[in-house]
Amino acid sequence: NAGVMQNPRHLVRRRGQEARLRCSPMKGHSHVYWYRQLPEEGLKFMVYLQKENIIDESGMPKERFSAEFPKEGPSILRIQQVVRGDSAAYFCASSPPVISSTDTQYFGPGTRLTVL
Amino acid sequence: GEDVEQSLFLSVREGDSSVINCTYTDSSSTYLYWYKQEPGAGLQLLTYIFSNMDMKQDQRLTVLLNKKDKHLSLRIADTQTGDSAIYFCAESEGGPDKLIFGTGTRLQVFP
Repeated sequence: NAGVMQNPRHLVRRRGQEARLRCSPMKGHSHVYWYRQLPEEGLKFMVYLQKENIIDESGMPKERFSAEFPKEGPSILRIQQVVRGDSAAYFCASSPPVISSTDTQYFGPGTRLTVL
Repeated sequence: GEDVEQSLFLSVREGDSSVINCTYTDSSSTYLYWYKQEPGAGLQLLTYIFSNMDMKQDQRLTVLLNKKDKHLSLRIADTQTGDSAIYFCAESEGGPDKLIFGTGTRLQVFP
């Protein structure tokens, strides 16, 4: 069973360009979470999605950032008009449908975004 | 608001025990986790504890929880060089809920 997959692993963009980060959850998992890790900091929650629904986006910046998890295909985190402050590692995590409150989140290897 | 604090650095000699500490503020936290992050890698779940437990042991790892003081610790027995990494504590209210992470403790193990 493959783990959480993210691509690309490294992404370089110039200021003003768009960044698209993809996340494929573990097989059987229907919940996806995105976190951002700025250099030398911990992870900060951004958004929690289920298939075709955004459940909690309380950590998403109000502008330029959007996320989706379509019925088919990976979850996408999209950053429009990137700025240098967007440079960070973006981690995706997934968890199974809620059958037990002990279910936890499994993390992907992350996408490291560098904005020039 | 929710806040999770950790000390930034810990340096130990190989073979000694390491103790990494964490404090949290959210009294509704139900689950507390320890994750390990090696350089350039994602997060690996090490262990977790329910808030109604005081202690959990898993091989070389021992987690202690003082719910009254909202203090969590991770003890690594017989620390090895391969244990060098950043260790994050995190808390959640359980189920499909977001994780609130601490700032991470960088553990360095020297021979």
